Amino acid sequence: AQSVTQPDIHITVSEGASLELRCNYSYGATPYLFWYVQSPGQGLQLLLKYFSGDTLVQGIKGFEAEFKRSQSSFNLRKPSVHWSDAAEYFCAVGPSGGYNKLIFGAGTRLAVHP
Amino acid sequence: NAGVMQNPRHLVRRRGQEARLRCSPMKGHSHVYWYRQLPEEGLKFMVYLQKENIIDESGMPKERFSAEFPKEGPSILRIQQVVRGDSAAYFCASSPRFTEAFSNQPQHFGDGTRLSIL
Repeated sequence: AQSVTQPDIHITVSEGASLELRCNYSYGATPYLFWYVQSPGQGLQLLLKYFSGDTLVQGIKGFEAEFKRSQSSFNLRKPSVHWSDAAEYFCAVGPSGGYNKLIFGAGTRLAVHP
Repeated sequence: NAGVMQNPRHLVRRRGQEARLRCSPMKGHSHVYWYRQLPEEGLKFMVYLQKENIIDESGMPKERFSAEFPKEGPSILRIQQVVRGDSAAYFCASSPRFTEAFSNQPQHFGDGTRLSIL
């Protein structure tokens, strides 16, 4: 069955510290991969996406993610977290080609200490 | 360049009433998707529509829920005879018409409608 696992429900980091949010997926074929961020009461904003090519993708707000096929992972990273990064982060997968019926993980809530 | 517009942002209904949620896709987008987010959970796919066509409704509950995307006007998600368990945030997303050139376009999300059932 297709699924996305985000093992960490809550993560707290200090401002300026590095961040890594984990995402593992189970999918029959090579999927398209996405990270979205959701601030309280808001919709989802696309941070970055992976379709093909270079497995290290750069996104907005200084985020990057690395696709590792052997580990079925697509972890999100940021070298130095800012207080404004506090939000909920969702990893999602969709079928390559065709329309993108996305499957989301349960999310990781990030808190940032000053 | 307006994004995906959803209204209302908040909707309160009593049990047994009907809820209508509206979604206007981004300009130039002809694919609409509806997702539901229950408290403390991720988004779950409900339905995928194109103009005047339901393409995939595999995530829609079998009863009380329906969706449409008419030739003119916004997409509507309709919930009849609402129950407490329908309380959730409902998100709409849109993407361009699928062609080879647009085969890898991500979905753009609206800010959602928060539905509360009293």
